[in-house]
Parts: sequence; structure tokens; C-alpha cells
Amino acid sequence: AQSVTQLGSHVSVSEGALVLLRCNYSSSVPPYLFWYVQYPNQGLQLLLKYTTGATLVKGINGFEAEFKKSETSFHLTKPSAHMSDAAEYFCAVTTGGGSYIPTFGRGTSLIVHP
Amino acid sequence: EAGVAQSPRYKIIEKRQSVAFWCNPISGHATLYWYQQILGQGPKLLIQFQNNGVVDDSQLPKDRFSAERLKGVDSTLKIQPAKLEDSAVYLCASSLDRGTGIYEQYFGPGTRLTVT
Repeated sequence: AQSVTQLGSHVSVSEGALVLLRCNYSSSVPPYLFWYVQYPNQGLQLLLKYTTGATLVKGINGFEAEFKKSETSFHLTKPSAHMSDAAEYFCAVTTGGGSYIPTFGRGTSLIVHP
Repeated sequence: EAGVAQSPRYKIIEKRQSVAFWCNPISGHATLYWYQQILGQGPKLLIQFQNNGVVDDSQLPKDRFSAERLKGVDSTLKIQPAKLEDSAVYLCASSLDRGTGIYEQYFGPGTRLTVT
């Protein structure tokens, strides 16, 4: 069975500081990994995804994530936080091989201080 | 391109009443998902359809929840009877995925259900 762990339910940064949101997964087969963002009273929207190929993935709004198989991690980063980045972020995993049911983490709330 | 549509956006009912939610996915998307998102938690998959067949409903409380996807397009999720713990946002999503897991999901705005 697959699972996702997001360390830290809340992360607080100052505007202009580095953003680091952590995601670790467990999967018995190669995973497909996703980061979604949710703004208040809205549905989720895709930030970026890793399926195969290059392990450093770039997404929208300046975010990127690196798939590290040895660490079973897919942490999300952004060099410089903006006030508009304040939102809830979810890491999700699916796997191939016939079982492609998505599993989401509990989410991390990013707070950006001026 | 139109996004995933859901209605209603908000619903307040008393416990033991019934409620239904409707979802219209993005045209051409084979897979449709219903999630329950309780405040402060991640989305929990209730049921996943590919076309009009069920891929997974292992977390759907079948004694009170039901869902259908007629003709492989629109879908409805029903709760009967509702309990207080059903208070949550119900999200619908769709995807081009046809059994690979590599495609992202597109989410609707959700329906916020309050059970009193």
C-alpha cells in the first residue's frame, strides 16, 4: 500500500525567504508524485508532477521539487516566498502497474509574513 | 476549456436527512473522482470511476453513501441518511487517466456540506 507523509502541518516564512515543504512517500513500486495547491474556498490545482525522467521538476509560480528515490522524498521548494504563496499544499502519490489510486498527504499550510 | 463543475456550492442539512451532489467533469476526461475533505485534512478518496465503471470504492461508506456515473460523463454522490461526521467539503475531480496514474487531476470548487 502507498502512503504520503507531509512533515509539518504549518510552515511560516518571511516574504522573500526560502520555502521548503516536505513530503515523504512509501510505495512498493515506482511512484508518480504530485504537488497541488489549494487556496481558500477553492479546489486543488496542480503545481508540478514527477512521472519519469529528470528528477528535478519545475512547476508553476516558481516552485520546483526533486524526486529522491534513496530518501523516498519529493520536497517542494521556492527560492523566494511571495505573499500570494500563502495557501494549503498537498503532496500526492499514485503508482503504475495496475493500481493507480491516488493518495494525498494531510497538507501543509504555508504562512507568509510581510 | 471549461473546468470541473460542481453543484451546489454549499448545503446545510439536518442529520438523518439526505443530500445529493452533482459533478460535471472536463469533456473527454475518462476518470472521475469523488473526495471527502474534512477541515484540516487532505482529500480522502471515496470513489474513482473510469468511464462509467468503478475502479475503487474501498473507502466509500456504502451503508449511507452511493455514487453513480451515468453514460461515463456526469456523476452524482448521495448521502442517505447524513450524520454529523459527514460535515466536510466534497470535491470532484477528473483526469485524462486511463489506468496509468501519470495524469494530473483537475478539481472542481467543491461542495461544503454542514450537517446539524
